[in-house]
Amino acid sequence: SQQGEEDPQALSIQEGENATMNCSYKTSINNLQWYRQNSGRGLVHLILIRSNEREKHSGRLRVTLDTSKKSSSLLITASRAAGTASYFCATVASGGYQKVTFGTGTKLQVIP
Amino acid sequence: ETGVTQSPTHLIKTRGQQVTLRCSSQSGHNTVSWYQQALGQGPQFIFQYYREEENGRGNFPPRFSGLQFPNYSSELNVNALELDDSALYLCASSLLAGGLYEQYFGPGTRLTVT
Repeated sequence: SQQGEEDPQALSIQEGENATMNCSYKTSINNLQWYRQNSGRGLVHLILIRSNEREKHSGRLRVTLDTSKKSSSLLITASRAAGTASYFCATVASGGYQKVTFGTGTKLQVIP
Repeated sequence: ETGVTQSPTHLIKTRGQQVTLRCSSQSGHNTVSWYQQALGQGPQFIFQYYREEENGRGNFPPRFSGLQFPNYSSELNVNALELDDSALYLCASSLLAGGLYEQYFGPGTRLTVT
């Protein structure tokens, strides 16, 4: 079963615009991660935010985490055509082994 | 490129057959996880191996089994293939330390069951 639900399911923007994706999850987490996947190939790790962090930046990426609402958002600023891909949030459960549960993904299209 | 490799790239099998997929982890990593990704879906966790022992398992039947070798390479075996097993199979290696868990994914093996 999927832990996270991403919103929107699909997003189309012009190159240079910002893209925001949201992720909701159900259980307590150790950390939350965002991945990018191009054309059904392997996933690329983008950024990890710990459960005790509220915001994190990496280049043009900004991630927020609200554990009280069990939600996270990924903001990509100044999007580029090469950023066209599916984006997934993934949660790592608290305690026990480090099981990673992926959401349903957001398909982002960046139009040149 | 992550340094994680998978073989084969594509595979076509018949229902009822058995298949073995292989993964070579990134150097220095002690944990490997396998995922099944159906078309249009997010990856589903199959199981994880840590230092050659199964460390956790998702909601997959026993006909999905695995191995991790001393060099941390890994195999996923699926017996009695069903049509619904058609998917992209991804392995991911990581270093399990301090509770943080950044995974490095291979390019995947696309399995088609006819």
